[in-house]
Amino acid sequence: EDQVTQSPEALRLQEGESSSLNCSYTVSGLRGLFWYRQDPGKGPEFLFTLYSAGEEKEKERLKATLTKKESFLHITAPKPEDSATYLCAVALIQGAQKLVFGQGTRLTINP
Amino acid sequence: GAVVSQHPSWVICKSGTSVKIECRSLDFQATTMFWYRQFPKQSLMLMATSNEGSKATYEQGVEKDKFLINHASLTLSTLTVTSAHPEDSSFYICSARDQVGADTQYFGPGTRLTVL
Repeated sequence: EDQVTQSPEALRLQEGESSSLNCSYTVSGLRGLFWYRQDPGKGPEFLFTLYSAGEEKEKERLKATLTKKESFLHITAPKPEDSATYLCAVALIQGAQKLVFGQGTRLTINP
Repeated sequence: GAVVSQHPSWVICKSGTSVKIECRSLDFQATTMFWYRQFPKQSLMLMATSNEGSKATYEQGVEKDKFLINHASLTLSTLTVTSAHPEDSSFYICSARDQVGADTQYFGPGTRLTVL
């Protein structure tokens, strides 16, 4: 069964304290991996797409990396406005266009 | 680019009534749109895939006669919750891909449905 698991479930950091969120996947064939940010009461906001092991993408304080079994979302010197739920999703080679989502990591940055 | 809108942003209705939610792609044409629902503190659950000009494909366990999907144009898909009941109360989110064959989905802002 195709599975996406995110850890930790929740993470509290102080402003400026860097850390990483993990997304591990067990799938039949990976077509792509996606990171989204979701604020309370809003739809997910697209952050990154990663397609192959070794690929990295950056946007402001965020950097996403991909290996054959997992992806990391590194957040450097976070600010309170980075507080949100971060969702990881995978598209499968034989997935009929669907995304399989992890449960998300609720990130809180304290000032 | 790749902006998706939803209307309404929230709706309250009485049990037994039907509610229609619209999903529009504002700056691109979307041959495929997706409908999700999300319960509090849970992740997104795909309900159905909406294809322009053809019938929607529903996920296992989703009642197609209760959740009617129409994708009549390249920029509009609608989800109608028929004979709504309190257990249908949820956050409904649509998404679309901005290119045929692309994998990235862009999401709308969501619609909060409360059934009394």
